[in-house]
Amino acid sequence: DAGITQSPRHKVTETGTPVTLRCHQTENHRYMYWYRQDPGHGLRLIHYSYGVKDTDKGEVSDGYSVSRSKTEDFLLTLESATSSQTSVYFCAIRKTEQETQYFGPGTRLLVL
Amino acid sequence: DQQVKQNSPSLSVQEGRISILNCDYTNSMFDYFLWYKKYPAEGPTFLISISSIKDKNEDGRFTVFLNKSAKHLSLHIVPSQPGDSAVYFCAASEETSGSRLTFGEGTQLTVNP
Repeated sequence: DAGITQSPRHKVTETGTPVTLRCHQTENHRYMYWYRQDPGHGLRLIHYSYGVKDTDKGEVSDGYSVSRSKTEDFLLTLESATSSQTSVYFCAIRKTEQETQYFGPGTRLLVL
Repeated sequence: DQQVKQNSPSLSVQEGRISILNCDYTNSMFDYFLWYKKYPAEGPTFLISISSIKDKNEDGRFTVFLNKSAKHLSLHIVPSQPGDSAVYFCAASEETSGSRLTFGEGTQLTVNP
């Protein structure tokens, strides 16, 4: 347990609406990540952050943006949700000097 | 372009026997490999890892083997227990990419009592 919480845990929304998912950590780790999990694909990296206001794209970043205004929070925004963004979203942190990432409990998002 | 592949979507074993989960990769720049276990409705939990400078790492019932020439790694669980039933993901990273993880598709392990 790396002190990671995600909110909301479940959300149903409609196509075209904006959605923001929050990842919160309590241990001030520098590196944070957003993944999505879909059947047949494992987990795929959306965006990651290596410090406050320092972010970069992952392999499936189209349609997503992120912000990190303070160390403990990493926000993932779907500007205009689409049905293809129905997924389970996981946040992760990485402790400096380690390669291992530790995951939050996930947010299940359904876009109708 | 799937750089990490787990070719077996599912595996079923008897309690007490060995479970062997396999993973193949294509990117020769990967230098660190991890296994995660995932129960339904929970986040992945780190299980064991191995650096590319090693060929084996052991932690209790779990052993990971790395064959760099074949670009293949495997996870051995001995003895298997019903509580080991979960989805297992292998993942790989390269230091120069900021330790971004690339995951396989996962293997559902079922351990029967």
